[in-house]
Amino acid sequence: KNEVEQSPQNLTAQEGEFITINCSYSVGISALHWLQQHPGGGIVSLFMLSSGKKKHGRLIATINIQEKHSSLHITASHPRDSAVYICAVRLGTNTGNQFYFGTGTSLTVIP
Amino acid sequence: KAGVTQTPRYLIKTRGQQVTLSCSPISGHRSVSWYQQTPGQGLQFLFEYFSETQRNKGNFPGRFSGRQFSNSRSEMNVSTLELGDSALYLCASCRLAGVTGELFFGEGSRLTVL
Repeated sequence: KNEVEQSPQNLTAQEGEFITINCSYSVGISALHWLQQHPGGGIVSLFMLSSGKKKHGRLIATINIQEKHSSLHITASHPRDSAVYICAVRLGTNTGNQFYFGTGTSLTVIP
Repeated sequence: KAGVTQTPRYLIKTRGQQVTLSCSPISGHRSVSWYQQTPGQGLQFLFEYFSETQRNKGNFPGRFSGRQFSNSRSEMNVSTLELGDSALYLCASCRLAGVTGELFFGEGSRLTVL
């Protein structure tokens, strides 16, 4: 049983296209993270969400707590956006955190 | 401000050996968490430390252990290495423990077990 489901697994887009990656989860969470991983391994945290919507430049992340669903949008996609995007949910309690990860969405943006 | 530093970046071990990986968090961050990433299982949570105490642990055997020092630096150890332990091991630091706090990841330590 996967606590976190991401779709699509792979995505190819033309430069300039609007991109959406979806994440559904089945557990009660304290926060949801969107992570970006480039070839070579390093991971960058793009967003941490517990409600609503956040925007950084061309990236927008939304979360619907009632529906247990989050989306990551990339507007005006660029080849440098090519990476693996991973959804992670954090279950936080007073005694610590537990994390569950999606399998990732591999995005390729073609010039 | 220096980022999260992991050492070594690459290492090769043989089955049955043990390995120790190090993670130095961002200055002022007191929480360090560890993750294993493999092609088959993806990212999995190993454990979290805050103020030298393990606060939570993922579903890994006892061969995987860790500790945190008073300066917040953390080490993880894997004993009696198996081929399946070959993976990228990532750590992340966070200023706070508990339900808040953004994660900052290191570049990872890539372990190959032969």
